[in-house]
Amino acid sequence: DTAVSQTPKYLVTQMGNDKSIKCEQNLGHDTMYWYKQDSKKFLKIMFSYNNKELIINETVPNRFSPKSPDKAHLNLHINSLELGDSAVYFCASSPQGPTGYTFGSGTRLTVV
Amino acid sequence: KQEVTQIPAALSVPEGENLVLNCSFTDSAIYNLQWFRQDPGKGLTSLLLIQSSQREQTSGRLNASLDKSSGRSTLYIAASQPGDSATYLCALWYGTASKLTFGTGTRLQVTL
Repeated sequence: DTAVSQTPKYLVTQMGNDKSIKCEQNLGHDTMYWYKQDSKKFLKIMFSYNNKELIINETVPNRFSPKSPDKAHLNLHINSLELGDSAVYFCASSPQGPTGYTFGSGTRLTVV
Repeated sequence: KQEVTQIPAALSVPEGENLVLNCSFTDSAIYNLQWFRQDPGKGLTSLLLIQSSQREQTSGRLNASLDKSSGRSTLYIAASQPGDSATYLCALWYGTASKLTFGTGTRLQVTL
């Protein structure tokens, strides 16, 4: 199926740990994104990559580091996890230019 | 700074009713507007995409309109069904950065 897929779907971890979330799209899109949905369900962009190049880096702690090995993959690594990092993280992709987005199904991260 | 507001925040209607969800934005220099649906604990499903040059888009029982000059978009759902129960989000692509700015969402419940 053509889609944006991210793994894992659920992630429960202790404070201080380091974790990664993976994302892959087979839509041939040039641009990939990470969005965060907080407890109030508000979605906000974190990062955007275009053809492996970082183009958007919102005000996000340095503990969050995206990595794009190729234009079909965008992974998110989080160091020293904190309670406040608990949220749902969505990966998305879009073609070049202002056209529609396709979102993954989300990764629910719970830090205990 | 673009601000996107959705009214009402929550809505409960009996099955079969026609309903309108509203989305307002402060900066009319947008490239496009996209309506999404999010089911509890799930990802975002794209419903309709309206380019800035378009006035409306239709898909089945859904019709979305866009009035850039007044900073408004509406999502019309005809003959609502319990399966339409979800949170509906509007999102704008504007400015030079290829990112979506999301609205606050409307939680819809359609009762039998």
